[in-house]
Amino acid sequence: DTGVSQNPRHKITKRGQNVTFRCDPISEHNRLYWYRQTLGQGPEFLTYFQNEAQLEKSRLLSDRFSAERPKGSFSTLEIQRTEQGDSAMYLCASSLVGTSSGELFFGEGSRLTVL
Amino acid sequence: SQQGEEDPQALSIQEGENATMNCSYKTSINNLQWYRQNSGRGLVHLILIRSNEREKHSGRLRVTLDTSKKSSSLLITASRAADTASYFCAPPQAGNMLTFGGGTRLMVKP
Repeated sequence: DTGVSQNPRHKITKRGQNVTFRCDPISEHNRLYWYRQTLGQGPEFLTYFQNEAQLEKSRLLSDRFSAERPKGSFSTLEIQRTEQGDSAMYLCASSLVGTSSGELFFGEGSRLTVL
Repeated sequence: SQQGEEDPQALSIQEGENATMNCSYKTSINNLQWYRQNSGRGLVHLILIRSNEREKHSGRLRVTLDTSKKSSSLLITASRAADTASYFCAPPQAGNMLTFGGGTRLMVKP
């Protein structure tokens, strides 16, 4: 399967713990996006990368959140000192800059539950 | 920021009926995309319509775009239970980044 892959699919953690999510984009895609989605809401933009450069970060991305894409391939999203309000689905998407459609390809998401 | 606002928030219809969802946005765009999300899954791209197009078809989907009114609509004809999902419109921001509104939650009853 050559789609966007996210791991783990589900994570349950206790408040105060750190968690890390990984996203493997479609191999030739140079852009990678992270979104957060809570129940009944649309996806909220968090950050995106073009190759290894982090080009934009939402104000939603507090200093407890950090994202990396060290070699311009996979990306990690780390949440430190988790809070119950961090419980959400974290979605990763990738795209290829220069295509006429600008279509985003989404992974299935990583669901975080903070107890 | 530029994001689409979908209307209605929820829609419930019988199988075989048509479903129409509307989207409004704020600033000029080159194109607008529609996405579908099944419960608990990622979003899937449905269709893109460009600013110089007024209407576009893809199977049972029909999308219209009115740039003067900054609005778009998605029509699903002859709906099926499998069409039950949330639908989002996505006008692009600078750099082709997409932001999403709350979506329309469609339920198609068998």
